[in-house]
Amino acid sequence: GDSVTQMEGPVTLSEEAFLTINCTYTATGYPSLFWYVQYPGEGLQLLLKATKADDKGSNKGFEATYRKETTSFHLEKGSVQVSDSAVYFCALRNNAGNMLTFGGGTRLMVKP
Amino acid sequence: DTEVTQTPKHLVMGMTNKKSLKCEQHMGHRAMYWYKQKAKKPPELMFVYSYEKLSINESVPSRFSPECPNSSLLNLHLHALQPEDSALYLCASSLAQGDLIFGSGTRLTVV
Repeated sequence: GDSVTQMEGPVTLSEEAFLTINCTYTATGYPSLFWYVQYPGEGLQLLLKATKADDKGSNKGFEATYRKETTSFHLEKGSVQVSDSAVYFCALRNNAGNMLTFGGGTRLMVKP
Repeated sequence: DTEVTQTPKHLVMGMTNKKSLKCEQHMGHRAMYWYKQKAKKPPELMFVYSYEKLSINESVPSRFSPECPNSSLLNLHLHALQPEDSALYLCASSLAQGDLIFGSGTRLTVV
């Protein structure tokens, strides 16, 4: 079946540091890939997505590129802020349906 | 309106109580979802409604009873819950093959 693996957290960074959160997936066919963010006490917000190989999703300074050859969708940001502290979930949606398969989540803590 | 609204935000209930969670959206989405999220875990799918009909039940215990009275509203009726059912319950909606939009959740505590 489909699965998503994320690096375990927490990831602790100083403000303005470079961020990478690794995500790899296993799926049949050609899934769409997503990053969701969950701020403390809130639901999930769609951060960015990519629907086919070599697509780059971007939003709020975050980027991720759909790499089919390495089955990866790593999240990056050049300069993190304290306000980016949250839990980040990588997910895939197989085109056979509209169900999301989530990774385990990675907590990011950014210190001033 | 581009939101999924969930009420209440917090709920404490006893094991013999009956309560309901409510979810509402006015985006014209015809798919609606209930997820359960335990602390430090990803959301787990419970139910999916498509065009007001239950299309997926992920083997959820019968003490959780979903209802979709119309295309904008989704309820989750709770009865005889256990303390281990304490969690964040998330509602989401989407177009048929569209991106899921999540509500902010109901934090449920069973005492």
